[in-house]
Amino acid sequence: AQKITQTQPGMFVQEKEAVTLDCTYDTSDPSYGLFWYKQPSSGEMIFLIYQGSYDQQNATEGRYSLNFQKARKSANLVISASQLGDSAMYFCAMVNSGYSTLTFGKGTMLLVSP
Amino acid sequence: GAGVSQTPSNKVTEKGKYVELRCDPISGHTALYWYRQSLGQGPEFLIYFQGTGAADDSGLPNDRFFAVRPEGSVSTLKIQRTERGDSAVYLCASSLKAGSTDTQYFGPGTRLTVL
Repeated sequence: AQKITQTQPGMFVQEKEAVTLDCTYDTSDPSYGLFWYKQPSSGEMIFLIYQGSYDQQNATEGRYSLNFQKARKSANLVISASQLGDSAMYFCAMVNSGYSTLTFGKGTMLLVSP
Repeated sequence: GAGVSQTPSNKVTEKGKYVELRCDPISGHTALYWYRQSLGQGPEFLIYFQGTGAADDSGLPNDRFFAVRPEGSVSTLKIQRTERGDSAVYLCASSLKAGSTDTQYFGPGTRLTVL
């Protein structure tokens, strides 16, 4: 069975600062994919970034980067230069190889202040 | 191009009634997924389709829930004899194909309230 743990119910950051959202995962499968999604108050899940378990480099997408530490089973999301529009719920999710369905964590609410 | 669309955006019904929730995936996406999100939780998997067939329905909570995708595009999630515990946001997602490396793109969801 696979499990995602997000231990930070809420995080605060000032505009233009960087913030790290924690995610740890548990799986016995050596091949898997890790995803981060953003869910604003409007409710839609917005894909941010993907990391494959065999990827040698940490994934980056604009201001988003994924700090992937395979031995520690962690996949933390780093948002650089926070913006007010980054205020939202953030979900970490994973899929094991051979499967297609996402397992989500409980999410972290990020609030960006001016 | 257009993203995943879901209708209705909100549905209020009475306990015991039947409801249908519709999902229109991104054009060309062969895989379609249904998730349910309760308040304060992450989405939980219900069922997914590869083409017209349900490839995995292990997340459906009981036999009151059923989903179809007759032509491999639009899907309908059907809930019979609704209960108050069915109240949640129902999210639909689609991906180009099914697999651990394929990104799932979500629709805006249908908020179901059972009174």
